Amino acid sequence: NAGVTQTPKFQVLKTGQSMTLQCAQDMNHEYMSWYRQDPGMGLRLIHYSVGAGITDQGEVPNGYNVSRSTTEDFPLRLLSAAPSQTSVYFCASSYRATEGVEAFFGQGTRLTVV
Amino acid sequence: AQTVTQSQPEMSVQEAETVTLSCTYDTSESNYYLFWYKQPPSRQMILVIRQEAYKQQNATENRFSVNFQKAAKSFSLKISDSQLGDTAMYFCAFTLSGTYKYIFGTGTRLKVLA
Repeated sequence: NAGVTQTPKFQVLKTGQSMTLQCAQDMNHEYMSWYRQDPGMGLRLIHYSVGAGITDQGEVPNGYNVSRSTTEDFPLRLLSAAPSQTSVYFCASSYRATEGVEAFFGQGTRLTVV
Repeated sequence: AQTVTQSQPEMSVQEAETVTLSCTYDTSESNYYLFWYKQPPSRQMILVIRQEAYKQQNATENRFSVNFQKAAKSFSLKISDSQLGDTAMYFCAFTLSGTYKYIFGTGTRLKVLA
């Protein structure tokens, strides 16, 4: 059971480039989300999805797009990378049906925009 | 809006001793869940302990226990018999009943000294 798999683990982009961070889970979780982690700011929610075909914005959505075509996958797209998007990105998933569910996290992607 | 505050950016403790990490939160709701996550140098986020707000009894998991004070909106984590493997960043997190958004504190970096 792989859990939540994120790729790549590290990435360097030039300003203005685009890229997609991949996230896949094999636990049949309905809820998936993307966070960014910055020093002194904890984890902040970028986008989330409560099921295939349904996505919504979190706290810091600007500059990012998401889609959820299947239950398993929830990619995060950076349309035109900016240095302010240098961060560590985490994908998380959890069951929908249970209250107070635990979030399972991927191992993170360290992104540097130069 | 809900907020989570961790007022101790860094702490250290001698191996085998006990340490307490502080967390306070703010919400006007009565049904919610609180979590402590551990992030070791590997970056992997690992659930340490979970507390349901409707339960008066403090949660415990082996060497980890919480002091949940609902009226004071306080949720501290006590680590007993600290081990070198406890060295990590610890995040306090909050989620409202019926929602799946996690709100994280800014984290406390704990170093266990040999």
